[in-house]
Amino acid sequence: DVLMTQTPVSLPVSLGGQVSISCRSSQSLVHSDGNTYLHWYLQKPGQSPQLLIYRVSNRFSGVPDRFSGSGSGTDFTLKISRVEPEDLGVYYCLQSTHFPLTFGSGTKLEIK
Amino acid sequence: QIQLVQSGPELKKPGESVKISCKASGYTFTDYAMNWVKQAPGNGLKWMGWINTQTGKPTYADDFKQRFVFSLETSASTAYLQINNLNIEDTATYFCTRSIDYWGQGVMVTVSS
Repeated sequence: DVLMTQTPVSLPVSLGGQVSISCRSSQSLVHSDGNTYLHWYLQKPGQSPQLLIYRVSNRFSGVPDRFSGSGSGTDFTLKISRVEPEDLGVYYCLQSTHFPLTFGSGTKLEIK
Repeated sequence: QIQLVQSGPELKKPGESVKISCKASGYTFTDYAMNWVKQAPGNGLKWMGWINTQTGKPTYADDFKQRFVFSLETSASTAYLQINNLNIEDTATYFCTRSIDYWGQGVMVTVSS
């Protein structure tokens, strides 16, 4: 299975600040079709995960441009700028290039 | 709007079975696969597998090949997850997710004697 290593585990932030979350895979996430199937989610307390970014850098419908994704191969980053209270929760990366699909272990974004 | 509405919480005893539902609306059900994801209390997310909504063929991750069954009622745009011979480690919230973009609200299954 592809191991997804997410760092940091916990991320204190000041409202209005900027943060980055890293996700590294144990093997390349470039699919044979040329696409890279790395996605980012936010799970707010008591809610289901919501898709933020799909295929590395594409914002999902309704996601503000404060969220951006980048990376390639095995190394990926989610950047959140101008952090707002509704951004708090646990962020997960997911790879769907290889079977089985695997998630990172999560990064908890909390107020400093 | 696209919605996945799951059934309500379940309290079961070890050895029993449970069948939870995921009703889709707002899109053509057979155009997208349905995935299932497990989240144990206080833990992260684990992908269980998926079902092809056109053919009904399920695919299970290794840890979910023995007691877990994915099924469909296509006429009702509904997917089901059945777990047989429940044990304590099955206590978790189970999510359905349409091809990993839209998610249901989750179903809490508690297994306790």
